Amino acid sequence: QKEVEQNSGPLSVPEGAIASLNCTYSDRGSQSFFWYRQYSGKSPELIMFIYSNGDKEDGRFTAQLNKASQYVSLLIRDSQPSDSATYLCAVEGGYNKLIFGAGTRLAVHP
Amino acid sequence: DAGITQSPRHKVTETGTPVTLRCHQTENHRYMYWYRQDPGHGLRLIHYSYGVKDTDKGEVSDGYSVSRSKTEDFLLTLESATSSQTSVYFCAISESEHTGTSGFNTGELFFGEGSRLTVL
Repeated sequence: QKEVEQNSGPLSVPEGAIASLNCTYSDRGSQSFFWYRQYSGKSPELIMFIYSNGDKEDGRFTAQLNKASQYVSLLIRDSQPSDSATYLCAVEGGYNKLIFGAGTRLAVHP
Repeated sequence: DAGITQSPRHKVTETGTPVTLRCHQTENHRYMYWYRQDPGHGLRLIHYSYGVKDTDKGEVSDGYSVSRSKTEDFLLTLESATSSQTSVYFCAISESEHTGTSGFNTGELFFGEGSRLTVL
């Protein structure tokens, strides 16, 4: 059974700080990795994807991938209260299936 | 916003009754998915489709069936609902496969607004 693990949180950070969200996966053959954000009562939406080892930056968001250690992380710089949400890590699980982690709840307090 | 409509959005039913959830898209995307979301479990794939009449099982397919007779519609059926199937169900669509390493096709999933099902 392919698995994606995330700390459920809540991760509480002050406004303006860096939020660091982590994810580990079990299938060493996975090639594609995604971060989705889900506000309470809403549907998930894609914020970042990464395929290659290293860092990928998009505005205040940075995704980091280390395939040797089988972990993916998401950094949110200058965190804002509007970033408060659940962040879902997803890993390509073969033949167009995505395996999701349970999500980490982030709370950014003023 | 991606044109995805789920119906019904809310449903309460009794154990043993059949239930059908409908997902309708206006994007002409090839791939369609049904996920369920439960506290502590995140999103779990029930079934997915890669074309008309082409479907496959996900990780939690027991007790569910699907049909896709048209590109735009993907139906999820609970033949005999049980209390363990109380959940929020999300339909999702994708234009391309998830392994788009070219960078042009991310395999991004676009989700519907969800259908909350309660089985008493």
